[in-house]
Amino acid sequence: TAGITQAPTSQILAAGRSMTLRCTQDMRHNAMYWYRQDLGLGLRLIHYSNTAGTTGKGEVPDGYSVSRANTDDFPLTLASAVPSQTSVYFCASSEDYNSPLHFGNGTRLTVT
Amino acid sequence: GQNIDQPTEMTATEGAIVQINCTYQTSGFNGLFWYQQHAGEAPTFLSYNVLDGLEEKGRFSSFLSRSKGYSYLLLKELQMKDSASYLCAVMDSNYQLIWGAGTKLIIKP
Repeated sequence: TAGITQAPTSQILAAGRSMTLRCTQDMRHNAMYWYRQDLGLGLRLIHYSNTAGTTGKGEVPDGYSVSRANTDDFPLTLASAVPSQTSVYFCASSEDYNSPLHFGNGTRLTVT
Repeated sequence: GQNIDQPTEMTATEGAIVQINCTYQTSGFNGLFWYQQHAGEAPTFLSYNVLDGLEEKGRFSSFLSRSKGYSYLLLKELQMKDSASYLCAVMDSNYQLIWGAGTKLIIKP
């Protein structure tokens, strides 16, 4: 089934450790995004990529980095996790920068 | 600053009609999206409005008034499976999506 795959589904991470959240799509969408979702807040954009080889900063980029080496993959790395990064992380893609988003099933991350 | 307002929670009865409002103040406007998100799941796309008026899609309709910075999502013939959060998002002049916090809709039998 075509779509977006995120891994892992959930993770408990000790503060100070690094981690990479994986995201792969098979729809050949140009644009990809990383959001975090926290209770009572709207989805907040961390980083985005309008096309392979390019990335940009969103609303809350500090503490996170991304790469877009090819069309399908868009990993998100936390270099040194802090408890405030406890959240649900959603990867999304869209055919173009102004098309509807398709979301992965999310990664629930707890930083202790 | 940019802002999207929606009610935090609404309750409705199975078989009835409910209207979820969304007001926005953004730097420019390039369209408004509605998404549905069931608890513990990913958001899924429902509708898109870029021109004023009503867009109908089965039991769901979405309305937009750009001059008033206002949209609503209308759900008819409510079913228990419609219990979910409904997210309003506006695309600003830089084609960035600004998200509301979502409206949790509770359907009672």
